[in-house]
Amino acid sequence: AQSVTQLDSQVPVFEEAPVELRCNYSSSVSVYLFWYVQYPNQGLQLLLKYLSGSTLVKGINGFEAEFNKSQTSFHLRKPSVHISDTAEYFCAVYASGGSYIPTFGRGTSLIVHP
Amino acid sequence: DARVTQTPRDKVTEMGQEVTMRCQPILGHNTVFWYRQTMMQGLELLAYFRNRAPLDDSGMPKDRFSAEMPDATLATLKIQPSEPRDSAVYFCASGLGHLNTEAFFGQGTRLTVV
Repeated sequence: AQSVTQLDSQVPVFEEAPVELRCNYSSSVSVYLFWYVQYPNQGLQLLLKYLSGSTLVKGINGFEAEFNKSQTSFHLRKPSVHISDTAEYFCAVYASGGSYIPTFGRGTSLIVHP
Repeated sequence: DARVTQTPRDKVTEMGQEVTMRCQPILGHNTVFWYRQTMMQGLELLAYFRNRAPLDDSGMPKDRFSAEMPDATLATLKIQPSEPRDSAVYFCASGLGHLNTEAFFGQGTRLTVV
């Protein structure tokens, strides 16, 4: 079975500063990795996903993530955050050959201060 | 713009009452998930359907919760009788049933049981 750990429950940052949200996973097989964003009072929506190929994946709203197989990580980054990036961010993993049920992390609350 | 539709968006009910939440998945999607989100537990998977058949409801309290898909355009989650501890946001999500594709979430139903 796979698992996902989001190391930070909350990340405060000032506007225009860079940010990194950390995600580590464990799985005995190859995985597909996703980042979702949840704005207040809304459902989750996809930010980006890693399936195969280039380990650097670019998503919407200027976010990118890097897949590191040796460190079993999929950290999310943005070079300059905006107030509107304040939201909950979830990392999720599907295991290759597994059921189509994603395993979600507990989420990281990104709080952008002016 | 295809989206998952959930009704109602908000529901306040008294303890002991029956609650039914509805979800219209995206046309063509063959997998449906029900999740519950609370501050304490994060996102919990309650039920998972594939081609309208329930494949996993191990996360659902069986004594009071039930989930069904009467047809491909409607999924329901019912709580009877409801209790204050059921207060949460309930999300429905649908997908294409492939490991390399994401789940699409509805806006959620915020349930308050008083």
